[in-house]
Amino acid sequence: LAKTTQPISMDSYEGQEVNITCSHNNIATNDYITWYQQFPSQGPRFIIQGYKTKVTNEVASLFIPADRKSSTLSLPRVSLSDTAVYYCLVGASGGSYIPTFGRGTSLIVHP
Amino acid sequence: GAVVSQHPSWVICKSGTSVKIECRSLDFQATTMFWYRQFPKQSLMLMATSNEGSKATYEQGVEKDKFLINHASLTLSTLTVTSAHPEDSSFYICSAIAPARGPTNSPLHFGNGTRLTVT
Repeated sequence: LAKTTQPISMDSYEGQEVNITCSHNNIATNDYITWYQQFPSQGPRFIIQGYKTKVTNEVASLFIPADRKSSTLSLPRVSLSDTAVYYCLVGASGGSYIPTFGRGTSLIVHP
Repeated sequence: GAVVSQHPSWVICKSGTSVKIECRSLDFQATTMFWYRQFPKQSLMLMATSNEGSKATYEQGVEKDKFLINHASLTLSTLTVTSAHPEDSSFYICSAIAPARGPTNSPLHFGNGTRLTVT
């Protein structure tokens, strides 16, 4: 299992861009990198997924370097509602997939 | 698409009683579902993997006789906390993998969780 390491917490202000990096040094060839967002007392919500290079959707971008040993979730122009815990998961859905969460990054956006 | 419904959203029970939590995939078939437990200010801890039509696979340290998992259909998995005690009070979350659309990996889709309080 590819273990992930993220900063425990981050602070930002409304309108700023936030970049959260996740380290996954022993990522396997077939593994994808997926980021989730969790608000208090709710289940996590899918944000974005990628395998290599850059992926962008309507809410975030995901940057993955060539060696894939890390990834960076980029949230453009955050608002107060982006205050949440963000988790990166590494793995490939399939028969032996065991989705294990790391500690996540608690992002607090200030006015 | 890919909606997972979890019920109830919260439950209070007395010590010694059993509580059943349901997890349904509403618009897709899920051969595999996962059950997590989350304590305040902590990450999600995987309890077990629920496979349709077969026995669940429990993570180390999780008592299979206490946390009964049944995955009788492709859209429903249940977690029963038997003989609940105050230390079982926690936030329980289920998730399922929806079929991939195209050549991509399938992400997890989560229910909204069940807050269990044992008095």
